Amino acid sequence: DIQMTQSPSSLSASVGDRVTITCQASQDISNYLNWYQQKPGKAPKLLIYDASNLETGVPSRFSGSGSGTDFTFTISSLQPEDIATYYCQQYDNLPTFGGGTKVEIK
Amino acid sequence: QVQLQESGPGLVKPSQTLSLTCTVSGGSISSGSYYWSWIRQPAGKGLEWIGRIYTSGSTNYNPSLKSRVTISVDTSKNQFSLKLSSVTAADTAVYYCAREAESIGGYSFDYWGQGTLVTVSS
Repeated sequence: DIQMTQSPSSLSASVGDRVTITCQASQDISNYLNWYQQKPGKAPKLLIYDASNLETGVPSRFSGSGSGTDFTFTISSLQPEDIATYYCQQYDNLPTFGGGTKVEIK
Repeated sequence: QVQLQESGPGLVKPSQTLSLTCTVSGGSISSGSYYWSWIRQPAGKGLEWIGRIYTSGSTNYNPSLKSRVTISVDTSKNQFSLKLSSVTAADTAVYYCAREAESIGGYSFDYWGQGTLVTVSS
């Protein structure tokens, strides 16, 4: 199994701050990495696919980068509506998710 | 617009079989290059992929659950189903069905059901 290590597990930031989340794969997964946003009581929502491609309709303040084993997800300017838990997910083999990062407003 | 909706019992007794159905609307489950997946999430915890079925009917399962999971499809009803046998309290979770669509490089879960809570308790 490919393991995904996501960090931090939680963070607190101010509105307007730049927020960065990292995800590390246990082996090379090329760019087979997606990012999801999950708000409380809701299903996850796809934000970024293939490591760096923005899903249609997703605000441009969200971005992703990386390849191989190390990936980064960034919110360029945190907004109140971005409060959620974010998950990375690899699909090089059978899908697996990272442990999640809970983003809160300071 | 594709929509997915989970249905099934919200309470299952230990050692019994959990059975859920996902009804797909807004598109045919048998058309296109899609996987149809089940994913679960225990309260306050992360997401765990359970397994999937392809439009051809082939299946893949999470190795940690493989011995207890069966996913099937009923194209006439535009539904796919999950059966998880010999359940314990550890199987208590919100269960989601989702569509896995092919992108340029691979696959992503682009449509999800709202999720249904299944509690395992006597």
